[in-house]
Amino acid sequence: GEDVEQSLFLSVREGDSSVINCTYTDSSSTYLYWYKQEPGAGLQLLTYIFSNMDMKQDQRLTVLLNKKDKHLSLRIADTQTGDSAIYFCAEKGADNTGKLIFGQGTTLQVKP
Amino acid sequence: NAGVMQNPRHLVRRRGQEARLRCSPMKGHSHVYWYRQLPEEGLKFMVYLQKENIIDESGMPKERFSAEFPKEGPSILRIQQVVRGDSAAYFCASSLERGTYEQYFGPGTRLTVT
Repeated sequence: GEDVEQSLFLSVREGDSSVINCTYTDSSSTYLYWYKQEPGAGLQLLTYIFSNMDMKQDQRLTVLLNKKDKHLSLRIADTQTGDSAIYFCAEKGADNTGKLIFGQGTTLQVKP
Repeated sequence: NAGVMQNPRHLVRRRGQEARLRCSPMKGHSHVYWYRQLPEEGLKFMVYLQKENIIDESGMPKERFSAEFPKEGPSILRIQQVVRGDSAAYFCASSLERGTYEQYFGPGTRLTVT
């Protein structure tokens, strides 16, 4: 079945890089996503990567995809206190409905 | 262009009452997805609707839950005879086309059942 796993917590110092990891099980996933959720708020789409890509960079964000190991990571360079949030990895399901399968979220704590 | 709108943002219901959650998709979007987030958990897919049609309801509990997306007006997620276990954040997302890679999420409705 489809399953997405993430580590639950990451703490970094301001200015350091953060790396949030995710593993997924569905090898037929076409898109993989990173969403950010701030306390009491909805989900903000940060970035996504198509499954035929290995890497995608967008300003401070770098997404790496290892399709062989079904491993996805999000690197945030120069992490700021405003980056403190929960980060969700998600995959687009194998069917064509577009529904997303989410991981349980990684809480990123940025210390000043 | 307004984003996905949900109301109410917070809803308190006593056990046994009905809860109605509304979602207005982004302008031009005719595909709506509902997700539920239980405390300390990720989002779980519930139902996918297109205007006047339920496309996939594989994530909906078998009883008490229903959803609709009429030709006019918002999508409604209805929970009858709520129980404490229904307390969660309910998120709606919309997309322009079926299976498109971009889904835009609303701010969510936080349901508390007392």
